[in-house]
Amino acid sequence: DAGVIQSPRHEVTEMGQEVTLRCKPISGHNSLFWYRQTMMRGLELLIYFNNNVPIDDSGMPEDRFSAKMPNASFSTLKIQPSEPRDSAVYFCASSLPDGYSNQPQHFGDGTRLSIL
Amino acid sequence: KQEVTQIPAALSVPEGENLVLNCSFTDSAIYNLQWFRQDPGKGLTSLLLIQSSQREQTSGRLNASLDKSSGRSTLYIAASQPGDSATYLCAVLQAGTALIFGKGTTLSVSS
Repeated sequence: DAGVIQSPRHEVTEMGQEVTLRCKPISGHNSLFWYRQTMMRGLELLIYFNNNVPIDDSGMPEDRFSAKMPNASFSTLKIQPSEPRDSAVYFCASSLPDGYSNQPQHFGDGTRLSIL
Repeated sequence: KQEVTQIPAALSVPEGENLVLNCSFTDSAIYNLQWFRQDPGKGLTSLLLIQSSQREQTSGRLNASLDKSSGRSTLYIAASQPGDSATYLCAVLQAGTALIFGKGTTLSVSS
């Protein structure tokens, strides 16, 4: 089975540009999570969805960040405008239903984002 | 606010050694605790998930224990191999939140 698929794998862009990260969860997984990983702060949750509905977006750092899940097989994380401090690895993860509390999360390989 | 700490931050051992990685958390009200492995440039692979009502889980050479009352978990790796070299992260799940991660222990096993 295909795992969680993220694109692009790497993104380098200039400050002020719009950045869109994409994620395809594992088929049948109803929960989707966006994380950000930096050396300083480690892995932090940005937002998660259950059945395409955002449940908790308290981790989204500011209004420049937005996430959507238009259907069960696709999600985007958008940064507009981007800033150098947004540079990080962004991970998407998905899990089976059952409130996700008893199911492990499956991670994609991440998008390494560099804002110059 | 829940905090997850992993000690040591890095560990180097020769092949064949048994080793223990430590994870501690400040709030014992958790649903589960998970151990992940992360290889360079890759995502996280779930290794073991321990429910709050469980004491341990085993998978092959890996054994994870959970002591909720003391806020501690250990990951035991038996007969370590160079292929075990990676960063190991633990994470806890609480009500109303998603996973809260430690910063990981980077393990290097030399042949």
